[in-house]
Amino acid sequence: GAVVSQHPSWVICKSGTSVKIECRSLDFQATTMFWYRQFPKQSLMLMATSNEGSKATYEQGVEKDKFLINHASLTLSTLTVTSAHPEDSSFYICSARRPTGYGNTIYFGEGSWLTVV
Amino acid sequence: DAKTTQPTSMDCAEGRAANLPCNHSTISGNEYVYWYRQIHSQGPQYIIHGLKNNETNEMASLIITEDRKSSTLILPHATLRDTAVYYCIVRVDYRTQGGSEKLVFGKGTKLTVNP
Repeated sequence: GAVVSQHPSWVICKSGTSVKIECRSLDFQATTMFWYRQFPKQSLMLMATSNEGSKATYEQGVEKDKFLINHASLTLSTLTVTSAHPEDSSFYICSARRPTGYGNTIYFGEGSWLTVV
Repeated sequence: DAKTTQPTSMDCAEGRAANLPCNHSTISGNEYVYWYRQIHSQGPQYIIHGLKNNETNEMASLIITEDRKSSTLILPHATLRDTAVYYCIVRVDYRTQGGSEKLVFGKGTKLTVNP
């Protein structure tokens, strides 16, 4: 079964509004979570690394004031797309590192489709 | 940038073994090779990972060359549901430099399993 869950699976919002996407680790504590976005027919692009209790680390070119990341607990990270515009429409995916066993495997959520109209 | 190169696409007959190659010639000694797959409109699914030795689990086998510069993912009996984009990823770990680990995705291999 899924070990990382995202909500909502899809969301439609009006241009100029903000939308929040949640990422939860279901049966483990994740000190580190990652957020990706994916445009159609393209690969996943890492946006930021979310660290529990501290500020997120953003990849070059990703606007931290537009994509707000909060990792307030060991099982929950949220991504808020502020003042969304149609070009922000994309598939957003989170992942979390499961700190057990060999290699500390990283698992991905099911993804969240965002459409800005 | 991704540290791996993979063929853009491959085809495989249903029931046959699918062998997906990956080159990672600049891999460092403490970096793992991870394989994920992504079926359309879903999040990536973990398949397998390895460091030096060959690995096998219920989904696949991973063969890593002795020099660790390349690897092959083997799906022993491909089914139609194995049609997906397969990503080979070298897991970059920046923690020792005070940064954070992360998975950087390349373009992957689109595997099509044909009936």
